[in-house]
Amino acid sequence: EAQVTQNPRYLITVTGKKLTVTCSQNMNHEYMSWYRQDPGLGLRQIYYSMNVEVTDKGDVPEGYKVSRKEKRNFPLILESPSPNQTSLYFCASSLFRRSYNEQFFGPGTRLTVL
Amino acid sequence: GESVGLHLPTLSVQEGDNSIINCAYSNSASDYFIWYKQESGKGPQFIIDIRSNMDKRQGQRVTVLLNKTVKHLSLQIAATQPGDSAVYFCAETDPTGTASKLTFGTGTRLQVTL
Repeated sequence: EAQVTQNPRYLITVTGKKLTVTCSQNMNHEYMSWYRQDPGLGLRQIYYSMNVEVTDKGDVPEGYKVSRKEKRNFPLILESPSPNQTSLYFCASSLFRRSYNEQFFGPGTRLTVL
Repeated sequence: GESVGLHLPTLSVQEGDNSIINCAYSNSASDYFIWYKQESGKGPQFIIDIRSNMDKRQGQRVTVLLNKTVKHLSLQIAATQPGDSAVYFCAETDPTGTASKLTFGTGTRLQVTL
C-alpha cells in the first residue's frame, strides 16, 4: 500500500530534550516536506527536500533541522524543543514537478513540549 | 481525535443537501489548486485538483470551480453525507516559486447534520 508513515504518533517531552520524528514513504517520491498545523493558522511548511541531500527552509524553519540521506526517509529533528513547538506535525511527499503535484500526507505526530 | 482548528469557519448542512465551501487565494501567479479533506485524527487527503487553464472540474460528487479574475476557488459537494464531515483546505502552487510548494488556506469545517 502506497503510504507515508510517521513515528511517533504522539509525543510528550520537556524543554531542551532533543527529539526526532521519523517520516518514510514507499512511493519513490523525490519531494518530501514537513508541515506544522496550529489552530487558526492552517498548515505551514517547515522544511522541504527536492531529493537526496537537497533540503531547504520553508516558511517556519526556526528551531528545526532535517536530513535526507535516503530517498524514502526525511526525519525532522528538534535539537532543543521549546513549548512554542507544541503542534501537530505532518510529513508529505510527492513526485518532483514544477507544478501539478498531489502531495500525500502522513497521519500526523502530535507533539507536546512542557 | 486531533483538533485541527478551534476557531475555523464552520459550514453546517443537512444530510442530502449540497455543500459549497469557498476559498480566496492571494497569489495571482498560482497555477494549480488542490482541495484536501482532513478528518479528525488523520492527515489531509486529496479530493480534487484543478489547473489554472480550467474553470471547472468534476469528480465523483465533487466539483471545483476556479475564478481567476477574483482569485476564488470553491468546492461543491453533492448530496452531502455524514462521512463528509471534516475540515476542508484549499491549497495553491506558484510555478514561479519553489517547485511543489503548496500554500494552504486556514480551512473550513463542514458539519453534516442528520
